[in-house]
Amino acid sequence: KQEVTQIPAALSVPEGENLVLNCSFTDSAIYNLQWFRQDPGKGLTSLLLIQSSQREQTSGRLNASLDKSSGRSTLYIAASQPGDSATYLCAVISNYQLIWGAGTKLIIKP
Amino acid sequence: GAGVSQSPRYKVAKRGQDVALRCDPISGHVSLFWYQQALGQGPEFLTYFQNEAQLDKSGLPSDRFFAERPEGSVSTLKIQRTQQEDSAVYLCASSSQGAASYEQYFGPGTRLTVT
Repeated sequence: KQEVTQIPAALSVPEGENLVLNCSFTDSAIYNLQWFRQDPGKGLTSLLLIQSSQREQTSGRLNASLDKSSGRSTLYIAASQPGDSATYLCAVISNYQLIWGAGTKLIIKP
Repeated sequence: GAGVSQSPRYKVAKRGQDVALRCDPISGHVSLFWYQQALGQGPEFLTYFQNEAQLDKSGLPSDRFFAERPEGSVSTLKIQRTQQEDSAVYLCASSSQGAASYEQYFGPGTRLTVT
């Protein structure tokens, strides 16, 4: 059974720092991996989707990597801003279901 | 519409009441998914539709939960005889294709509180 783990559960850093969020999964047979952002009281916003054949995707200050063989993905956020404060979730698609981690709650201090 | 919409956004139900949650997917999207998200947790899969066909309902927690998508567009998740453990955010997502690799787009969710 696929399990997704995110470490750390919470992270607080000063504005301007670069940071890395981690996601690991137990079954390497995935179609793709998605990183989402969730703001309190709001829905999920897709940030990046990495197909299983890809190793990374970039969007603005965000870069996500995927290493299927080791069951790991990272989300790199450059030059963090207070507006980046949110919960970040990773999810893998093994069939058509998204299997989710519990998220990392990120706080960027001004 | 521009995105996935859900209604109501908030629902308070007394224990034992029936509730119906609505999802309007992105127009033309083939696939529709329902997820349940408990406080402080990631979402968990409930059920999946491809057009009007419910292909997987393995995540529905009990027979009190029922979902339908009769015309292959709007979907309704119904919970009968609500219990306190049903309190959660219910998320709906749609995808343009039936294949697993396509990106899912999420609505804002319905926060259900059972008192």
